[in-house]
Amino acid sequence: GEDVEQSLFLSVREGDSSVINCTYTDSSSTYLYWYKQEPGAGLQLLTYIFSNMDMKQDQRLTVLLNKKDKHLSLRIADTQTGDSAIYFCAERTGTASKLTFGTGTRLQVTL
Amino acid sequence: EPEVTQTPSHQVTQMGQEVILRCVPISNHLYFYWYRQILGQKVEFLVSFYNNEISEKSEIFDDQFSVERPDGSNFTLKIRSTKLEDSAMYFCASSQRLVGSYEQYFGPGTRLTVT
Repeated sequence: GEDVEQSLFLSVREGDSSVINCTYTDSSSTYLYWYKQEPGAGLQLLTYIFSNMDMKQDQRLTVLLNKKDKHLSLRIADTQTGDSAIYFCAERTGTASKLTFGTGTRLQVTL
Repeated sequence: EPEVTQTPSHQVTQMGQEVILRCVPISNHLYFYWYRQILGQKVEFLVSFYNNEISEKSEIFDDQFSVERPDGSNFTLKIRSTKLEDSAMYFCASSQRLVGSYEQYFGPGTRLTVT
């Protein structure tokens, strides 16, 4: 079955890069997603990557996928205080419509 | 920018009562979903819905749960007889299509508290 794991907490200084990591178990993952959740808010889709890609860049966000190791990462360049939130990775496998979410990583940005 | 909306933002109910959580998906989306997040736990898939039918459901989505699209805009989740363990944040999501990347867009959630 699917399982997605993330580290629980990351603290970075404003202006530094943040790297949030995620591992998944299901090799039939087709798409992998990153969502952001700010306090009291819903899940905001940040970006996604198709499983046959290694990298995707979108402004300050870079997604890296290592399919062999089933490892996904989200790099946020020039991290700002507004980036403080919980970040979830999620996978979709095969033709299933559901997303399987990780535990979420709380990113704290300090001055 | 179009967004998914949910009402109410917070619902408090007594154990055994029925609750209906409401969602208005993005207008040109055809696929609808409910997820829940128990405090401190992962976001869990409940059900997906397309063309007035359930496409997929999880083990959590038992006979106590039902979904409906009563009109052209609303999508509802009904819990017939709530239990304490149903207390969670319930998220509605929608997507335009099922093939390809089919990004799912989430609403702000309804916090359900069962006492």
